[in-house]
Amino acid sequence: DQQVKQNSPSLSVQEGRISILNCDYTNSMFDYFLWYKKYPAEGPTFLISISSIKDKNEDGRFTVFLNKSAKHLSLHIVPSQPGDSAVYFCAARGVRNFVFGPGTRLSVLP
Amino acid sequence: KAGVTQTPRYLIKTRGQQVTLSCSPISGHRSVSWYQQTPGQGLQFLFEYFSETQRNKGNFPGRFSGRQFSNSRSEMNVSTLELGDSALYLCASSPWTANTEAFFGQGTRLTVV
Repeated sequence: DQQVKQNSPSLSVQEGRISILNCDYTNSMFDYFLWYKKYPAEGPTFLISISSIKDKNEDGRFTVFLNKSAKHLSLHIVPSQPGDSAVYFCAARGVRNFVFGPGTRLSVLP
Repeated sequence: KAGVTQTPRYLIKTRGQQVTLSCSPISGHRSVSWYQQTPGQGLQFLFEYFSETQRNKGNFPGRFSGRQFSNSRSEMNVSTLELGDSALYLCASSPWTANTEAFFGQGTRLTVV
């Protein structure tokens, strides 16, 4: 029973365009959400986070949106760059630990 | 400041053997969490240690165990290895308990043959 879902295993976007990665969760007790980026042969790197009391957080080219009523968050990358090609994990903080989604592989095409 | 260091990076073991993985957190960080990553499953939480005490545990069998030393370094042990234990094992450190972002090491790739 996956509490955090990333229903798109992969996404391809043209360089310069917007990348939108989606994440859905089932547990309304989650109160903090994060996005991590992972390159092959490296550990995940923290990208951006959002508290459940907010609906938007922005950091440079990265913006995370949270829709609590829909239990949905999304990561927007504008403009997308080839170096953004990686696997992106959505994570939610529960009572005991972070719960991660299965990841979405983003490919930014030059 | 050095990052999270995991050793070894790669490991090949035979079914039935046991293995110990090591993690050195960022200096000053007291929380260490372990995750298992397999294709299509994301990161599955194994356990978290804080000040030498296991604080939280995921849904893994008792073959998976860990410990933390007084210098915050942590080890994870898997006994009676099974083929399905082949995965990337990631360690993450946080200053206190893992309540905000965690910093990950590069992982140990374990292959069980």
